[in-house]
Amino acid sequence: AQSVAQPEDQVNVAEGNPLTVKCTYSVSGNPYLFWYVQYPNRGLQFLLKYITGDNLVKGSYGFEAEFNKSQTSFHLKKPSALVSDSALYFCAVRDNTGNQFYFGTGTSLTVIP
Amino acid sequence: EAGVAQSPRYKIIEKRQSVAFWCNPISGHATLYWYQQILGQGPKLLIQFQNNGVVDDSQLPKDRFSAERLKGVDSTLKIQPAKLEDSAVYLCASSSAGTGGTDTQYFGPGTRLTVL
Repeated sequence: AQSVAQPEDQVNVAEGNPLTVKCTYSVSGNPYLFWYVQYPNRGLQFLLKYITGDNLVKGSYGFEAEFNKSQTSFHLKKPSALVSDSALYFCAVRDNTGNQFYFGTGTSLTVIP
Repeated sequence: EAGVAQSPRYKIIEKRQSVAFWCNPISGHATLYWYQQILGQGPKLLIQFQNNGVVDDSQLPKDRFSAERLKGVDSTLKIQPAKLEDSAVYLCASSSAGTGGTDTQYFGPGTRLTVL
Protein backbone atom coordinates (compact mmCIF):
# COMPACT_ATOMS: atom_id res chain seq x y z
CA ALA A 1 0.00 0.00 0.00
CA GLN A 2 1.13 3.51 -0.73
CA SER A 3 1.77 5.86 2.14
CA VAL A 4 3.55 9.01 3.17
CA ALA A 5 4.95 9.73 6.62
CA GLN A 6 5.85 13.09 8.07
CA PRO A 7 7.37 12.10 11.41
CA GLU A 8 7.33 15.58 12.95
CA ASP A 9 4.06 17.33 13.70
CA GLN A 10 5.88 20.52 14.62
CA VAL A 11 9.24 22.02 13.64
CA ASN A 12 10.61 25.20 15.19
CA VAL A 13 13.60 27.00 13.76
CA ALA A 14 15.19 30.39 14.33
CA GLU A 15 15.04 32.95 11.56
CA GLY A 16 18.15 32.74 9.39
CA ASN A 17 18.90 29.15 10.32
CA PRO A 18 18.55 26.26 7.87
CA LEU A 19 15.33 24.29 8.03
CA THR A 20 14.43 20.70 7.22
CA VAL A 21 10.97 19.16 7.06
CA LYS A 22 11.10 15.38 6.83
CA CYS A 23 9.13 13.05 4.59
CA THR A 24 9.39 9.32 3.92
CA TYR A 25 7.27 7.33 1.52
CA SER A 26 6.24 3.84 0.56
CA VAL A 27 5.04 3.07 -2.97
CA SER A 28 5.09 0.27 -5.47
CA GLY A 29 7.02 1.29 -8.55
CA ASN A 30 8.74 4.61 -9.06
CA PRO A 31 7.45 7.46 -6.92
CA TYR A 32 6.34 10.90 -7.96
CA LEU A 33 6.88 13.16 -4.96
CA PHE A 34 5.46 16.59 -4.19
CA TRP A 35 5.66 19.28 -1.53
CA TYR A 36 2.82 21.71 -0.85
CA VAL A 37 2.49 24.55 1.65
CA GLN A 38 -0.75 25.67 3.29
CA TYR A 39 -1.24 29.06 4.91
CA PRO A 40 -4.18 29.63 7.30
CA ASN A 41 -7.58 29.68 5.58
CA ARG A 42 -6.00 29.19 2.19
CA GLY A 43 -5.65 26.30 -0.21
CA LEU A 44 -2.49 24.34 -0.78
CA GLN A 45 0.25 25.93 -2.84
CA PHE A 46 2.66 23.88 -4.90
CA LEU A 47 6.34 24.16 -3.94
CA LEU A 48 8.20 21.52 -5.93
CA LYS A 49 8.11 17.99 -7.27
CA TYR A 50 10.39 15.10 -8.13
CA ILE A 51 9.56 13.02 -11.18
CA THR A 52 12.90 11.76 -12.47
CA GLY A 53 16.47 12.91 -12.99
CA ASP A 54 18.55 14.98 -10.58
CA ASN A 55 17.89 13.98 -6.99
CA LEU A 56 18.05 17.61 -5.82
CA VAL A 57 14.95 19.51 -6.85
CA LYS A 58 14.67 23.28 -6.53
CA GLY A 59 11.31 24.94 -6.10
CA SER A 60 9.49 28.11 -5.16
CA TYR A 61 10.53 30.60 -2.45
CA GLY A 62 14.07 29.18 -2.15
CA PHE A 63 12.96 25.71 -1.09
CA GLU A 64 14.61 22.54 -2.32
CA ALA A 65 14.18 18.85 -1.65
CA GLU A 66 16.43 15.85 -2.00
CA PHE A 67 15.15 12.53 -3.27
CA ASN A 68 16.90 9.59 -1.61
CA LYS A 69 15.79 6.29 -3.06
CA SER A 70 17.70 4.06 -0.65
CA GLN A 71 16.18 5.80 2.36
CA THR A 72 12.82 6.35 0.64
CA SER A 73 12.91 9.97 1.73
CA PHE A 74 12.15 13.35 0.22
CA HIS A 75 13.06 15.95 2.83
CA LEU A 76 12.27 19.62 2.24
CA LYS A 77 15.05 22.09 2.95
CA LYS A 78 15.84 25.78 2.90
CA PRO A 79 19.26 27.28 3.68
CA SER A 80 17.94 30.31 5.59
CA ALA A 81 14.46 30.38 7.13
CA LEU A 82 12.20 33.43 7.05
CA VAL A 83 9.41 34.25 9.48
CA SER A 84 7.06 34.24 6.48
CA ASP A 85 7.88 30.54 5.91
CA SER A 86 5.78 29.70 8.98
CA ALA A 87 2.98 27.49 7.64
CA LEU A 88 1.78 23.91 7.32
CA TYR A 89 3.80 21.74 4.92
CA PHE A 90 2.51 18.62 3.22
CA CYS A 91 4.42 15.91 1.42
CA ALA A 92 2.53 13.83 -1.16
CA VAL A 93 3.26 10.80 -3.29
CA ARG A 94 1.84 9.14 -6.35
CA ASP A 95 3.17 6.04 -8.03
CA ASN A 96 3.49 5.67 -11.75
CA THR A 97 0.97 2.86 -11.97
CA GLY A 98 -2.07 4.31 -10.26
CA ASN A 99 -4.17 7.39 -9.94
CA GLN A 100 -4.32 7.75 -6.18
CA PHE A 101 -2.52 10.68 -4.61
CA TYR A 102 -1.53 10.37 -0.95
CA PHE A 103 -0.75 13.24 1.39
CA GLY A 104 1.11 13.08 4.67
CA THR A 105 -0.43 14.42 7.84
CA GLY A 106 1.47 17.68 7.60
CA THR A 107 4.23 19.42 9.55
CA SER A 108 3.66 22.78 11.15
CA LEU A 109 6.73 24.96 10.70
CA THR A 110 7.29 27.92 12.98
CA VAL A 111 10.14 30.29 12.28
CA ILE A 112 11.05 32.27 15.38
CA PRO A 113 12.23 35.85 14.90
CA GLU B 1 -4.42 33.42 -15.00
CA ALA B 2 -7.34 32.93 -12.63
CA GLY B 3 -6.97 30.19 -10.06
CA VAL B 4 -9.33 27.45 -9.00
CA ALA B 5 -12.58 28.94 -7.71
CA GLN B 6 -14.75 27.34 -5.04
CA SER B 7 -17.99 28.32 -3.41
CA PRO B 8 -19.26 28.70 -0.83
CA ARG B 9 -16.23 29.33 1.37
CA TYR B 10 -18.09 28.35 4.53
CA LYS B 11 -21.19 26.28 5.20
CA ILE B 12 -22.91 25.27 8.41
CA ILE B 13 -25.66 22.66 8.31
CA GLU B 14 -27.35 20.24 10.65
CA LYS B 15 -26.85 16.51 10.38
CA ARG B 16 -29.08 14.74 7.89
CA GLN B 17 -29.33 17.86 5.75
CA SER B 18 -27.88 17.97 2.25
CA VAL B 19 -25.18 20.31 0.94
CA ALA B 20 -23.46 21.01 -2.36
CA PHE B 21 -20.11 22.53 -3.21
CA TRP B 22 -19.09 24.06 -6.50
CA CYS B 23 -15.69 24.20 -8.19
CA ASN B 24 -14.50 25.96 -11.32
CA PRO B 25 -11.03 24.78 -12.36
CA ILE B 26 -8.32 26.75 -14.09
CA SER B 27 -9.30 27.34 -17.69
CA GLY B 28 -8.16 24.53 -19.95
CA HIS B 29 -7.41 22.08 -17.16
CA ALA B 30 -8.71 18.66 -18.10
CA THR B 31 -8.31 16.97 -14.74
CA LEU B 32 -10.27 17.91 -11.63
CA TYR B 33 -9.94 16.52 -8.11
CA TRP B 34 -12.02 16.73 -4.95
CA TYR B 35 -10.32 16.23 -1.59
CA GLN B 36 -11.57 16.05 1.97
CA GLN B 37 -9.29 17.53 4.64
CA ILE B 38 -10.30 16.76 8.21
CA LEU B 39 -8.76 18.99 10.87
CA GLY B 40 -5.26 17.80 11.73
CA GLN B 41 -5.00 15.47 8.76
CA GLY B 42 -3.70 15.65 5.23
CA PRO B 43 -6.10 15.92 2.31
CA LYS B 44 -7.72 12.67 1.19
CA LEU B 45 -8.58 12.24 -2.47
CA LEU B 46 -12.29 11.57 -2.94
CA ILE B 47 -12.71 11.61 -6.69
CA GLN B 48 -10.77 12.45 -9.84
CA PHE B 49 -12.28 13.48 -13.19
CA GLN B 50 -10.63 13.49 -16.57
CA ASN B 51 -12.79 15.86 -18.61
CA ASN B 52 -16.32 14.65 -17.74
CA GLY B 53 -15.38 11.06 -16.92
CA VAL B 54 -14.52 9.58 -13.54
CA VAL B 55 -10.96 8.27 -13.33
CA ASP B 56 -10.95 7.23 -9.68
CA ASP B 57 -13.63 7.36 -6.99
CA SER B 58 -12.40 4.52 -4.83
CA GLN B 59 -12.41 6.62 -1.63
CA LEU B 60 -15.72 8.37 -2.22
CA PRO B 61 -18.42 7.24 0.26
CA LYS B 62 -20.94 6.60 -2.46
CA ASP B 63 -23.84 6.00 -0.11
CA ARG B 64 -23.93 9.70 0.71
CA PHE B 65 -21.45 11.51 -1.54
CA SER B 66 -21.86 12.20 -5.23
CA ALA B 67 -20.00 14.34 -7.72
CA GLU B 68 -20.45 15.33 -11.30
CA ARG B 69 -18.64 17.26 -14.00
CA LEU B 70 -21.22 17.17 -16.75
CA LYS B 71 -19.63 19.47 -19.32
CA GLY B 72 -16.04 18.74 -18.43
CA VAL B 73 -15.49 22.14 -16.86
CA ASP B 74 -16.98 22.99 -13.48
CA SER B 75 -17.96 20.39 -10.95
CA THR B 76 -20.27 19.90 -7.97
CA LEU B 77 -19.79 17.68 -4.95
CA LYS B 78 -22.88 16.78 -2.94
CA ILE B 79 -23.41 15.20 0.45
CA GLN B 80 -26.83 13.79 1.26
CA PRO B 81 -27.47 13.23 4.11
CA ALA B 82 -24.60 14.80 6.03
CA LYS B 83 -23.12 13.26 9.16
CA LEU B 84 -21.15 14.87 11.95
CA GLU B 85 -17.95 13.23 10.70
CA ASP B 86 -18.30 15.03 7.36
CA SER B 87 -17.15 18.24 9.02
CA ALA B 88 -14.01 19.12 7.09
CA VAL B 89 -12.56 21.39 4.45
CA TYR B 90 -13.40 20.27 0.92
CA LEU B 91 -10.68 21.16 -1.52
CA CYS B 92 -10.91 21.23 -5.28
CA ALA B 93 -7.82 21.01 -7.47
CA SER B 94 -7.13 20.92 -11.17
CA SER B 95 -4.26 20.03 -13.46
CA SER B 96 -3.59 20.51 -17.13
CA ALA B 97 -2.27 17.09 -18.04
CA GLY B 98 -4.07 13.81 -18.22
CA THR B 99 -3.62 10.88 -15.90
CA GLY B 100 -0.13 9.55 -15.38
CA GLY B 101 0.85 11.06 -12.09
CA THR B 102 3.40 13.74 -12.97
CA ASP B 103 1.15 16.75 -13.36
CA THR B 104 1.05 19.52 -10.76
CA GLN B 105 -2.28 20.08 -9.06
CA TYR B 106 -3.43 23.62 -8.31
CA PHE B 107 -5.78 24.00 -5.38
CA GLY B 108 -8.68 26.27 -4.66
CA PRO B 109 -9.23 27.95 -1.25
CA GLY B 110 -11.57 25.21 -0.07
CA THR B 111 -15.05 25.08 1.48
CA ARG B 112 -15.16 24.67 5.23
CA LEU B 113 -18.17 22.52 6.19
CA THR B 114 -19.44 22.32 9.74
CA VAL B 115 -22.11 19.73 10.50
CA LEU B 116 -23.96 20.29 13.78
